[in-house]
Amino acid sequence: AQTVTQSQPEMSVQEAETVTLSCTYDTSESNYYLFWYKQPPSRQMILVIRQEAYKQQNATENRFSVNFQKAAKSFSLKISDSQLGDTAMYFCAFMKSPNAGNTGKLIFGQGTTLQVKP
Amino acid sequence: DSGVTQTPKHLITATGQRVTLRCSPRSGDLSVYWYQQSLDQGLQFLIQYYNGEERAKGNILERFSAQQFPDLHSELNLSSLELGDSALYFCASSVALAPVYEQYFGPGTRLTVT
Repeated sequence: AQTVTQSQPEMSVQEAETVTLSCTYDTSESNYYLFWYKQPPSRQMILVIRQEAYKQQNATENRFSVNFQKAAKSFSLKISDSQLGDTAMYFCAFMKSPNAGNTGKLIFGQGTTLQVKP
Repeated sequence: DSGVTQTPKHLITATGQRVTLRCSPRSGDLSVYWYQQSLDQGLQFLIQYYNGEERAKGNILERFSAQQFPDLHSELNLSSLELGDSALYFCASSVALAPVYEQYFGPGTRLTVT
């Protein structure tokens, strides 16, 4: 079974600074997808960034980037130029590659609460 | 706004009761997923429907059931409610059976069992 671990329950960063959230996972699959979701105080789940395991290039979305280390089964999220609106809980999630028998369910980590301070 | 709607937003009920949570997926999405977010269990997958058929089950209790109707909306039925069922229940939808890309989450239904 796949597991996702986020070892940092809470983090804080000063506005405009950079912060990195950690995520490790365990799987025997060779192809899969990894995601970071953001959950602000409104509780809405918002996709931040995704990474396909077969791609060596790390994904980036504006101020958000990942460091994907497949051999180490590590998938960290870097937020640059942190903004007050980045305050939220961040979830790392794993999905098996879509093929026969894999239905696309997400397996989530425990979450990291990020506080951006002015 | 993800395009996924869930009703009601909040629900307060007593132990032993039965409730129904409703989800309307994004237009064109055939797959619906239900997730539960609680303090004890975190975010966990409950069940998935695709075009009216159940396709995957996760950690869903026998007291819980779901269905997807011909118009593709889905309902999650929770019965014999216990205090521990208090949680935020999310519905998510995607176009394909096994999406390569993201699932779109609704705003959730906050269930409080007293």
